[in-house]
Amino acid sequence: AQKVTQAQTEISVVEKEDVTLDCVYETRDTTYYLFWYKQPPSGELVFLIRRNSFDEQNEISGRYSWNFQKSTSSFNFTITASQVVDSAVYFCALGAGNNRKLIWGLGTSLAVNP
Amino acid sequence: DSGVTQTPKHLITATGQRVTLRCSPRSGDLSVYWYQQSLDQGLQFLIQYYNGEERAKGNILERFSAQQFPDLHSELNLSSLELGDSALYFCASSLTGLQNSPLHFGNGTRLTVT
Repeated sequence: AQKVTQAQTEISVVEKEDVTLDCVYETRDTTYYLFWYKQPPSGELVFLIRRNSFDEQNEISGRYSWNFQKSTSSFNFTITASQVVDSAVYFCALGAGNNRKLIWGLGTSLAVNP
Repeated sequence: DSGVTQTPKHLITATGQRVTLRCSPRSGDLSVYWYQQSLDQGLQFLIQYYNGEERAKGNILERFSAQQFPDLHSELNLSSLELGDSALYFCASSLTGLQNSPLHFGNGTRLTVT
């Protein structure tokens, strides 16, 4: 079975704190793809990153970084020096096997307070 | 701006009625997806089209139907509406419709059934 678990339902931090959003996935496929999306209060979903199963290199984009670890089936997302504009719901998603549809986590709501 | 256009932005209608939601994909994208997002059920995949053909089906009710036209725009028809159909409906598009192709979402249509 394929599954994505985002155990943190809500996180609240103070501006400038670092915060890590957890994503744990399950799949028996050897080829798969992991995604993170952001949904700010305005509502639209924004694609942040895609990682394929053969590339375990961590990725950094400005204050955002992603840690992909196949050994623990995790694809965690860290925001460094968080800002109020980072307040959003963040979704992790998995694309794998013959399943044409993405498997989505339930999302983590991040509130960054001034 | 994702390049995906959804209309209308808001829709208020009564139970038993029928509505049509419209989506224009990002230029160059051949695949269109429809998602429903409600507070109690998270992000639910409804259906996917690729170049006019149905590609994958999710939790779409029989009262709902969709199609993708030759110009690649798509419509989602919701009929015999119930209170529980009140939700945010998203359209997304992707280049290839494959699992590794990131989704680009529209701003959504907020449907309220009274």
